[in-house]
Amino acid sequence: KQEVTQIPAALSVPEGENLVLNCSFTDSAIYNLQWFRQDPGKGLTSLLLIQSSQREQTSGRLNASLDKSSGRSTLYIAASQPGDSATYLCAGGGSNDYKLSFGAGTTVTVRA
Amino acid sequence: AAGVIQSPRHLIKEKRETATLKCYPIPRHDTVYWYQQGPGQDPQFLISFYEKMQSDKGSIPDRFSAQQFSDYHSELNMSSLELGDSALYFCASSLSRENTGELFFGEGSRLTVL
Repeated sequence: KQEVTQIPAALSVPEGENLVLNCSFTDSAIYNLQWFRQDPGKGLTSLLLIQSSQREQTSGRLNASLDKSSGRSTLYIAASQPGDSATYLCAGGGSNDYKLSFGAGTTVTVRA
Repeated sequence: AAGVIQSPRHLIKEKRETATLKCYPIPRHDTVYWYQQGPGQDPQFLISFYEKMQSDKGSIPDRFSAQQFSDYHSELNMSSLELGDSALYFCASSLSRENTGELFFGEGSRLTVL
């Protein structure tokens, strides 16, 4: 069973600082890894999807890396803005049915 | 592009009542997943269906049941509701032959049990 852990649980940074969010998983046979953003009481917004054969994906100010051998993924958000304040969840997908196992998330606060 | 549609978006029920949530996957998607996210919790996998057959089962209570219909929409039925069932319920869909394995999530249905 895939176990996903995210550290830290919360992070507060001043505007403009780069954010580094960590995600670790136990099963290296991960099929893919997805990063999501969730605003309070809202749905899941997909940010990036990294296939197991890929090392990283980029979208605008976001960059996510995947290291299967160490069981880690990192989400980088460059030049953070107050609008980046949200909870960020990573989820590992299995190869059989693509079912996702979620981490508990990192709640980010970007101070203006 | 069409997304995953969930209804209702909000639902308020009394204890011991029954609730039904509906999910309409992205057209052509053949797999549906249900997740439950309690307050301050991460989404927990409940159950999934592939081609109208149950494909996997997670931490779904016996009071809950689900099915996928011929048009691929899915319904989650919850009976004898308890206060602890108050949560955000997400549905996601995927296309099994799409090699990315990406799941697309709906906006969720918020169930409040009083």
